[in-house]
Amino acid sequence: KQEVTQIPAALSVPEGENLVLNCSFTDSAIYNLQWFRQDPGKGLTSLLLIQSSQREQTSGRLNASLDKSSGRSTLYIAASQPGDSATYLCAAPSSGSARQLTFGSGTQLTVLP
Amino acid sequence: GAVVSQHPSRVICKSGTSVKIECRSLDFQATTMFWYRQFPKQSLMLMATSNEGSKATYEQGVEKDKFLINHASLTLSTLTVTSAHPEDSSFYICSGVDSGNTIYFGEGSWLTVV
Repeated sequence: KQEVTQIPAALSVPEGENLVLNCSFTDSAIYNLQWFRQDPGKGLTSLLLIQSSQREQTSGRLNASLDKSSGRSTLYIAASQPGDSATYLCAAPSSGSARQLTFGSGTQLTVLP
Repeated sequence: GAVVSQHPSRVICKSGTSVKIECRSLDFQATTMFWYRQFPKQSLMLMATSNEGSKATYEQGVEKDKFLINHASLTLSTLTVTSAHPEDSSFYICSGVDSGNTIYFGEGSWLTVV
């Protein structure tokens, strides 16, 4: 059964700092892995989708990496801004399914101005 | 791109009443949709898998008689919370999957039972 763990649970950094969010998963037989952003009281915003054949995916100041062999993914945020404050969720396909996701518990990020 | 529309985005209902949440795939056919819920300060957990034209599959611990799922067409799945209680207050979100196995999430629905 797929299990997804995110560390740290919460992170507070000053504006401008680069930071890394970590995600680990137990079942490495995945087709892809996704990172989402969730703002308080809002839904999910898809940030990056990394296919199993890729090692990295970039979008603006965000860079996500995937290492299937070690069961790890990282989300790198460069030059953080207060607007980046949100909860970041990592999600991997559930064991035996490419279509339903198992979510981590999230990292709550606060970027201080 | 493909869109999944979910509504209502927020709903407040009285304890003991029922509330329906709709999830529509706007430009693709979704033979399967998934329903998740998220309690405060917890992650999203899969509740059930909704299959067009057949009964939904519920995850362990989810009461099928309380959370009624209907997937009568290829573009619409509904979740009805029956006899809602305050402990059902949660964030409910659906996802639809297209023929290429790309997953699209709805905007989510915040349910408050008072």
